[in-house]
Amino acid sequence: AQKVTQAQTEISVVEKEDVTLDCVYETRDTTYYLFWYKQPPSGELVFLIRRNSFDEQNEISGRYSWNFQKSTSSFNFTITASQVVDSAVYFCALNSWGKLQFGAGTQVVVTP
Amino acid sequence: NAGVTQTPKFRILKIGQSMTLQCTQDMNHNYMYWYRQDPGMGLKLIYYSVGAGITDKGEVPNGYNVSRSTTEDFPLRLELAAPSQTSVYFCASSSSSSGANVLTFGAGSRLTVL
Repeated sequence: AQKVTQAQTEISVVEKEDVTLDCVYETRDTTYYLFWYKQPPSGELVFLIRRNSFDEQNEISGRYSWNFQKSTSSFNFTITASQVVDSAVYFCALNSWGKLQFGAGTQVVVTP
Repeated sequence: NAGVTQTPKFRILKIGQSMTLQCTQDMNHNYMYWYRQDPGMGLKLIYYSVGAGITDKGEVPNGYNVSRSTTEDFPLRLELAAPSQTSVYFCASSSSSSGANVLTFGAGSRLTVL
């Protein structure tokens, strides 16, 4: 069985603070993919990043960075110098054999 | 290029009524999915299809039916609406079943059952 756990329900920060979102997953598969999606207040789902199980390199894209650690089954996401536009729900997801399993999401609230 | 289009965006139903959520994609994707999102929860898979004429149950299929007569369309039918089906529904598609594929999501359909 697959499972994705996002233990943080909501995180509130003041603009320019960094925020880290935790994601822990469970799977018995050796090949799998991990994703992060953003859901802004408008409701659509926006793809942010994909990482396969064989690639543990961390990745940085602008103010976003991701830390994948297979040993702890974690795929954490950090927003550096947060902005109000980062306010959204962020979902971590695990895909194995084509079916995407989502975590419950973390609501990020960035106040000016 | 419209991507994945869902209609309606909003709908209010009375208990026991039936309705169909429409989903169409113009990317010639074989794989299509229906998810529901409840408040404070992640998305849960209702049904999926690997091609025209082929559908299968996901994690939460009870109370729903689907059909896939064409590659483009994947409607979701609620036969006897119940308050527990109040949710936001997302349709998605992908070009293959590979776990690497990024799903393209529609904008969502918010359904309220009273």
